[in-house]
Amino acid sequence: GAGVSQSPRYKVAKRGQDVALRCDPISGHVSLFWYQQALGQGPEFLTYFQNEAQLDKSGLPSDRFFAERPEGSVSTLKIQRTQQEDSAVYLCASSLGGRGLLYEQYFGPGTRLTVT
Amino acid sequence: AQSVAQPEDQVNVAEGNPLTVKCTYSVSGNPYLFWYVQYPNRGLQFLLKYITGDNLVKGSYGFEAEFNKSQTSFHLKKPSALVSDSALYFCAVRDEDRGSTLGRLYFGRGTQLTVWP
Repeated sequence: GAGVSQSPRYKVAKRGQDVALRCDPISGHVSLFWYQQALGQGPEFLTYFQNEAQLDKSGLPSDRFFAERPEGSVSTLKIQRTQQEDSAVYLCASSLGGRGLLYEQYFGPGTRLTVT
Repeated sequence: AQSVAQPEDQVNVAEGNPLTVKCTYSVSGNPYLFWYVQYPNRGLQFLLKYITGDNLVKGSYGFEAEFNKSQTSFHLKKPSALVSDSALYFCAVRDEDRGSTLGRLYFGRGTQLTVWP
């Protein structure tokens, strides 16, 4: 069956450019998470949506990072004025249940962002 | 604060031998524990989870994990390793839902497992 998809798979941006990363979660999944994975590290939480509501954005590293999920399905992570330290793999995950429900998260293949 | 430690960056085993990938955790409430595997250029793939109940959890591809509350550990095991098991393995913990965490996973740094023929 269809899993979580992300696009683009690879993105090279010049420092200062804006980028937009897309996530298509598994159909019907209520929860959507964004994580950032730096080279040689485990994923680190960025933000969480339950349907269209962004319930937790405490992991976003700066106000240059913005995420939305306007219709409760597709989500976009936007990074403004990219910096070299933004280079990482950005992972999207979706989960069937909302808060309080202990379903596992299913991850997409990630978008590898390189800022030059 | 919630955290996960994977004390070994690399684990090397011969095919057919048992394997163990170690994980210890720290949470303020009841722990919910997960193992994921990552193949090159692919996302994380769910292996198994512990929520409550039996301390020995069985998952995909013959993997299992043992929850030990007193040692705050959740080691991943497999009785007989395959070359195809070679990958990067991540342990993750989720705390009880609170206003500030809401289901986020805290990951370890990962352990590279290599199984040689």
